[in-house]
Amino acid sequence: EAGVAQSPRYKIIEKRQSVAFWCNPISGHATLYWYQQILGQGPKLLIQFQNNGVVDDSQLPKDRFSAERLKGVDSTLKIQPAKLEDSAVYLCASSLNSPYNEQFFGPGTRLTVL
Amino acid sequence: TQLLEQSPQFLSIQEGENLTVYCNSSSVFSSLQWYRQEPGEGPVLLVTVVTGGEVKKLKRLTFQFGDARKDSSLHITAAQPGDTGLYLCAGVKNGNQFYFGTGTSLTVIP
Repeated sequence: EAGVAQSPRYKIIEKRQSVAFWCNPISGHATLYWYQQILGQGPKLLIQFQNNGVVDDSQLPKDRFSAERLKGVDSTLKIQPAKLEDSAVYLCASSLNSPYNEQFFGPGTRLTVL
Repeated sequence: TQLLEQSPQFLSIQEGENLTVYCNSSSVFSSLQWYRQEPGEGPVLLVTVVTGGEVKKLKRLTFQFGDARKDSSLHITAAQPGDTGLYLCAGVKNGNQFYFGTGTSLTVIP
């Protein structure tokens, strides 16, 4: 079974530029999550999708971050414009809709904003 | 602010030593998970504990869920260099809402 795919793996941009990340979850997983992880810290949820609907985006900085999951499969997360404090690893995870779910994570995209 | 606080934040020990990592919250969770993350990779699930007071063992790792389902601990016996990584607890609410802890970075020195 293929795991969660993310691209790119690394991205370096200047502040005020735009960037987009892509995630392809495990086939059949209805729930998709985007997390921001600062080095050495726990992941912080940015947005959670159930199929193509948003379940929770309360911690998404909506003035600069946006995400979509068209057709309920793959997803993109965009930052426009980027700030220095956006430097982090962006993790995508997916899970089935069942009790005591296990989240399966992709390898993440490491973003550096200069 | 994160719902789950982990301690210690950093831990560096010699191979063969024992250690305990704590995960504490004032919130009640339906279940609690522990993940391990290695550099350049996403977290990988180690265990899920569901019942208050539950203890699960995974080889040299012992996981306990607090009686009130607000806290948890991870104990590693005879740590090995392969145990090195970032350990994360995650409280689960409503089946698919995950709240990650602050993380514990463990280094086991050969």
